[in-house]
Amino acid sequence: EAGVAQSPRYKIIEKRQSVAFWCNPISGHATLYWYQQILGQGPKLLIQFQNNGVVDDSQLPKDRFSAERLKGVDSTLKIQPAKLEDSAVYLCASSLRSWIAGGYSTDTQYFGPGTRLTVL
Amino acid sequence: AQSVAQPEDQVNVAEGNPLTVKCTYSVSGNPYLFWYVQYPNRGLQFLLKYITGDNLVKGSYGFEAEFNKSQTSFHLKKPSALVSDSALYFCAVRAGRSNDYKLSFGAGTTVTVRA
Repeated sequence: EAGVAQSPRYKIIEKRQSVAFWCNPISGHATLYWYQQILGQGPKLLIQFQNNGVVDDSQLPKDRFSAERLKGVDSTLKIQPAKLEDSAVYLCASSLRSWIAGGYSTDTQYFGPGTRLTVL
Repeated sequence: AQSVAQPEDQVNVAEGNPLTVKCTYSVSGNPYLFWYVQYPNRGLQFLLKYITGDNLVKGSYGFEAEFNKSQTSFHLKKPSALVSDSALYFCAVRAGRSNDYKLSFGAGTTVTVRA
């Protein structure tokens, strides 16, 4: 079974430039997550999709970050304009479902290799 | 609000010795607990999870973890460590059967296994 794919693996940009990251989840996984992992910290959830709808984007800095999952499969995360503090690894993850009858599912999240962003 | 603490930034053990990586959590209600491992320049790999049932959970690569509700802990263990176990380990928690489904991660523990 193919895992979560992400590209590019590395990106270096100047502050105030824009950048986009791409994610292809595991086939059949309805739920897709974007995380930000700053050096020395654990991953922090930015946004969660169920199919092509947003479940939670409460921690997404919406003045500069945007994400979409138009056809319920691939997803793109964009930063415009980038700031120095956006330097981090951006991880994409997927799971089978967000919720089941009686509550949110316990399905495991599987992570991609990440994109390391350096903002100069 | 839910949170995870990994009290040790680094754990160093000799190959063949037992390995323990500590994790304590805070969450409303029953917790769902997870361990992930991250190798350099790689994403997080799932090791094991506790949802309900037996407090001792067995996972990948010979790892296991014990859920202790009274101590709010979920320590990761391996009876005999290998050099290849050297990596960054993350504990994560979410509140079970609630609308707060976000997974909260600890800051990570770097494990070094010396030959």
